[in-house]
Amino acid sequence: SQELEQSPQSLIVQEGKNLTINCTSSKTLYGLYWYKQKYGEGLIFLMMLQKGGEEKSHEKITAKLDEKKQQSSLHITASQPSHAGTYLCGPPAGSSNTGKLIFGQGTTLQVKP
Amino acid sequence: DVKVTQSSRYLVKRTGEKVFLECVQDMDHENMFWYRQDPGLGLRLIYFSYDVKMKEKGDIPEGYSVSREKKERFSLILESASTNQTSMYLCASSNAPIWSSYEQYFGPGTRLTVT
Repeated sequence: SQELEQSPQSLIVQEGKNLTINCTSSKTLYGLYWYKQKYGEGLIFLMMLQKGGEEKSHEKITAKLDEKKQQSSLHITASQPSHAGTYLCGPPAGSSNTGKLIFGQGTTLQVKP
Repeated sequence: DVKVTQSSRYLVKRTGEKVFLECVQDMDHENMFWYRQDPGLGLRLIYFSYDVKMKEKGDIPEGYSVSREKKERFSLILESASTNQTSMYLCASSNAPIWSSYEQYFGPGTRLTVT
């Protein structure tokens, strides 16, 4: 089965700073989705990357898929307290015939005002 | 704005009680899902439904049942609550075909404690 490893596992940044989260796959990546979850709340879909080199943005969050490296990076520019939460990546192959989402272990982000 | 609502944010029930968790979506989505989320175990699919009155088991259906009598409502039932069902329960919906349902809309979650 495909395994996803996210790094770092946790991150604390000062408000206004840029940051990058990586998601690395054990197998070829045919696509990847990113979600965010605030503590104690539901998940929020951020974006889906479907081909190598694809880059998408959602507000100040940009994600890119590097098929050759089997990796996706998520970059936040000028972080704000509203960016705090856990970021989760997952492969679309997990949807299969049940629609279930599967994720890496997540990266928890704290943004200090 | 897309909206998925769940009947309770916090719930405390006793062992052996029958528990109903309700989920309503206002997006006319075909698919609805029930997950539970536990520290260290991540998100696990309990049941899903791709149409009214249709339901399919996910990875951990034991001890649970579901009902989907109307398109907008998907109910999760704990027949006889046990302490190992203490968890965060998340409902989601999507409108893509099941095999490409990676864009799901989630409710705020119900934190259930069974004592």
